[in-house]
Amino acid sequence: AQSVTQLGSHVSVSEGALVLLRCNYSSSVPPYLFWYVQYPNQGLQLLLKYTTGATLVKGINGFEAEFKKSETSFHLTKPSAHMSDAAEYFCAVSDQVTGGGNKLTFGTGTQLKVEL
Amino acid sequence: DTGVSQNPRHKITKRGQNVTFRCDPISEHNRLYWYRQTLGQGPEFLTYFQNEAQLEKSRLLSDRFSAERPKGSFSTLEIQRTEQGDSAMYLCASSQGVQPQHFGDGTRLSIL
Repeated sequence: AQSVTQLGSHVSVSEGALVLLRCNYSSSVPPYLFWYVQYPNQGLQLLLKYTTGATLVKGINGFEAEFKKSETSFHLTKPSAHMSDAAEYFCAVSDQVTGGGNKLTFGTGTQLKVEL
Repeated sequence: DTGVSQNPRHKITKRGQNVTFRCDPISEHNRLYWYRQTLGQGPEFLTYFQNEAQLEKSRLLSDRFSAERPKGSFSTLEIQRTEQGDSAMYLCASSQGVQPQHFGDGTRLSIL
């Protein structure tokens, strides 16, 4: 079974400061890893994904994440926060085994607040 | 690419009533997923279809829940005899094969 742990249900940063949202996963098979963002009363929008290859993944809106197998982590970062980044962020895992449908297992989310 | 469309956006119903939600996936996507999201939680997988075949169902999907995807196009999720605990956001997503899933804006269900 797969699982995702997001440390910190709420993170607050100042505009222009570094954003760091933490995600640790558990998977018995090589994982696919994702970060999604959700704005109020909307669905989830894909920020970035890791499948295979380069462990540093760049996504939309200046976000990036690094897959660290030894630490089973996939933390999300952005060098400089913007007010428009305020939203809820979800880390998710699916397995690379074909036939599994690639269903996503999500963490409980981190609410990012950006202050002036 | 018009995105994944879900209807209705909001549904308020009395306990014990039946409700049905619709999801229209991105047209070329062969996989369709349903998730449920409760307040303060991440989405939880309910079921998924590849074309018209329902290939996996979560244990969360009790006998009161049924999903269909006739002709491999749109999908419906029906909940019979709704209970208070069914109040949640129901999210639909679609993908082409193993490509990342694209989500709709969800249907928020409130049980009175």
